[in-house]
Amino acid sequence: AQSVTQLGSHVSVSEGALVLLRCNYSSSVPPYLFWYVQYPNQGLQLLLKYTSAATLVKGINGFEAEFKKSETSFHLTKPSAHMSDAAEYFCAVSERSGGGADGLTFGKGTHLIIQP
Amino acid sequence: DSGVTQTPKHLITATGQRVTLRCSPRSGDLSVYWYQQSLDQGLQFLIQYYNGEERAKGNILERFSAQQFPDLHSELNLSSLELGDSALYFCASSVVIPGGSNEKLFFGSGTQLSVL
Repeated sequence: AQSVTQLGSHVSVSEGALVLLRCNYSSSVPPYLFWYVQYPNQGLQLLLKYTSAATLVKGINGFEAEFKKSETSFHLTKPSAHMSDAAEYFCAVSERSGGGADGLTFGKGTHLIIQP
Repeated sequence: DSGVTQTPKHLITATGQRVTLRCSPRSGDLSVYWYQQSLDQGLQFLIQYYNGEERAKGNILERFSAQQFPDLHSELNLSSLELGDSALYFCASSVVIPGGSNEKLFFGSGTQLSVL
């Protein structure tokens, strides 16, 4: 069975500082991995996804994530935080070959707080 | 705006009651997914429909049911409601055939259900 663990339910960084949101996964087969963002009072939006083409994945809004098989990790980073990045971030894993949504398992989310 | 419309935005009801949540997918999207987001369980996949037919089931209780109509809108029916059913219910739609490698989910802004 697949699972996702997001370390830290809340992460606080200063504006302009590095953002690092941690995600570790468990999967019995090569996984497909996703990061979604949820802004207040909105649904989730796809930030980026890893589907085995390249280990470093670039997403929207300057975010990127690196797949590390040896560490079973898929951490999300952004070099310089902006106030507009304040949101809830979800890591998700799928074992289906196409990353189909019916196989998605989400982490519990990390609330990113940006300090001015 | 994702293009996915959910109504109502807020719903307050009592234990034992039955409610219906409605979702209109983006124009052209054939797949509709329902998710439940709660503080203790996080974001959980409930059920998926594709072009009117149930395609996948997740952690959906027997008291809950869903359907997708010929015009592709979907309804999630929750009956014999309990306090623990209080949550944010999301609908999402996707553009390609489920399991396709380029599948991308578009989420609605959710229906906040409060069971008192």
